[in-house]
Amino acid sequence: GIQVEQSPPDLILQEGANSTLRCNFSDSVNNLQWFHQNPWGQLINLFYIPSGTKQNGRLSATTVATERYSLLYISSSQTTDSGVYFCAAPSGGYQKVTFGTGTKLQVIP
Amino acid sequence: DGGITQSPKYLFRKEGQNVTLSCEQNLNHDAMYWYRQDPGQGLRLIYYSQIVNDFQKGDIAEGYSVSREKKESFPLTVTSAQKNPTAFYLCASNGGMRGHQPQHFGDGTRLSIL
Repeated sequence: GIQVEQSPPDLILQEGANSTLRCNFSDSVNNLQWFHQNPWGQLINLFYIPSGTKQNGRLSATTVATERYSLLYISSSQTTDSGVYFCAAPSGGYQKVTFGTGTKLQVIP
Repeated sequence: DGGITQSPKYLFRKEGQNVTLSCEQNLNHDAMYWYRQDPGQGLRLIYYSQIVNDFQKGDIAEGYSVSREKKESFPLTVTSAQKNPTAFYLCASNGGMRGHQPQHFGDGTRLSIL
């Protein structure tokens, strides 16, 4: 099945700083999803982004499907951005979704 | 508002006991999924269902069972055969076979052994 790798595994930011999270996948995909898991365990949809670039407030994402990677940009980080960020790609004939191992982000005041 | 409801939020199991976790969705989604998350780890797929009365094993199905008698409901039973059931369980759904669509998640159930 498809392999999904995320980097870095851990990230500590000062409040107000910018960051880029990366997701590499081993097979070509026609869609990719980014999630934020907050400290209470809730998984929040951030982006559903098969290709191109999308923006939502301080967050934006870019997927380059031909090169098998996606990037999540966080600008002017806030303490509420803390948590774990996952990317996920379809596998198994698009019936299943495989998650990456996540990037744990801590934003300190 | 449409969404996925998981219950209970916290569940405790005694040794040798089966427990059932509830997952209900009102999004009219065809496909539903169960994932397990251990502390500090990613999500692993337990079971998934693309349509009523049909389901498939995921990567870690041993010790678990499911049913899909209604489109809205996909309960997960953690059996006594699952020797290490303590984990966070997440249910998800999406549009399934109508074309790959974003997954939406419930708020999860935390299961612990007494």
